[in-house]
Amino acid sequence: EPEVTQTPSHQVTQMGQEVILRCVPISNHLYFYWYRQILGQKVEFLVSFYNNEISEKSEIFDDQFSVERPDGSNFTLKIRSTKLEDSAMYFCASSERLAGVERTDTQYFGPGTRLTVL
Amino acid sequence: RKEVEQDPGPFNVPEGATVAFNCTYSNSASQSFFWYRQDCRKEPKLLMSVYSSGNEDGRFTAQLNRASQYISLLIRDSKLSDSATYLCVVNIVTGRRALTFGSGTRLQVQP
Repeated sequence: EPEVTQTPSHQVTQMGQEVILRCVPISNHLYFYWYRQILGQKVEFLVSFYNNEISEKSEIFDDQFSVERPDGSNFTLKIRSTKLEDSAMYFCASSERLAGVERTDTQYFGPGTRLTVL
Repeated sequence: RKEVEQDPGPFNVPEGATVAFNCTYSNSASQSFFWYRQDCRKEPKLLMSVYSSGNEDGRFTAQLNRASQYISLLIRDSKLSDSATYLCVVNIVTGRRALTFGSGTRLQVQP
């Protein structure tokens, strides 16, 4: 069964450093997403990406964040200058094209990258 | 009012019990509804989509009440392996793909 993969599984960094989190979405999917989950809190949407551009983003996704699809398989999230409050689990997800309102556009999640900012 | 609201639990039930979770959502324009399951420190995994007519998948039944903006999940014949956090998830399809998650309801099935 195809699945979303993410690397690394755990990233430890110093405050102020840049980090890049990597994801390989399911191969025939066209929509890509990043979510985050701070320990003990709910999953929160960050950004969605389609056709090589951001299609929507949340208020969390400020100028410190960027996303890129550098080649045909990878999808990355960059945090330019990490803060302590960026410590969280970051999940990548992907989905196919929407096929109609009733047939929902299922998002499949990767295993996550645990980011620890010291 | 929270966008997606769930009882956090925990629900502690014996094996074989039937348990029901409820969820309410605030945006009446919401179009797509899901139940995801999340094990401790793991990714959310889709349990089932929730359709207007309601749907069933084995021991799991989901219902949607658009008028009351209410979604439910019923688990019959609980197994130990059902122990997890159940996430109610909503998205507004028109122009927006972001999923909005509830905080989850924790289920602990006991032997």
